[in-house]
Amino acid sequence: AQSVTQLDSQVPVFEEAPVELRCNYSSSVSVYLFWYVQYPNQGLQLLLKYLSGSTLVKGINGFEAEFNKSQTSFHLRKPSVHISDTAEYFCAVSEAETSGSRLTFGEGTQLTVNP
Amino acid sequence: SQTIHQWPATLVQPVGSPLSLECTVEGTSNPNLYWYRQAAGRGLQLLFYSVGIGQISSEVPQNLSASRPQDRQFILSSKKLLLSDSGFYLCAWSVWRGGYTFGSGTRLTVV
Repeated sequence: AQSVTQLDSQVPVFEEAPVELRCNYSSSVSVYLFWYVQYPNQGLQLLLKYLSGSTLVKGINGFEAEFNKSQTSFHLRKPSVHISDTAEYFCAVSEAETSGSRLTFGEGTQLTVNP
Repeated sequence: SQTIHQWPATLVQPVGSPLSLECTVEGTSNPNLYWYRQAAGRGLQLLFYSVGIGQISSEVPQNLSASRPQDRQFILSSKKLLLSDSGFYLCAWSVWRGGYTFGSGTRLTVV
């Protein structure tokens, strides 16, 4: 079984500042890792995913994340945020190479970008 | 292309009334389907998942039920709604090596 911990429930930041949303996971097997974004009253949208290969993954909207196996982390970063990045962000993990493997989600991090 | 449709977008129902939320998937066959609920805009609670027609697994004992009458149709139901059933309901299907694709959600308010 896997588990995900998002270390910050809320992250306030000023516009054009860098941001990091932290995610740690626990698993006894190899995993796939995902970040999703949710805007108010909308479904979740995939930002990026790590399956294998390069540990630095680039996603949509200028976000990137780095897979660190030794620290079991998958932190999400953006060098300069915009007001429009204000949303809830979810980290998720699934068992690798298993068809139909369910995702385990973290509790979410509310990113609020202030002018 | 692969898409997921979920409706209605918003719903206000009185306590004790029935509920039916529908989710359909296009562009794939035999998907794994999921129903999630978010209360107070935070956290995702898995309610039900289905790996095939008529196959439903419940994660949390509750006032809700789910059915999968067709391969690409997943329905969430209740015979009598409670105030505690209010929340944001999301349908999703799993994509091989791609995580989940989510529907747009239904905001349910029980009054």
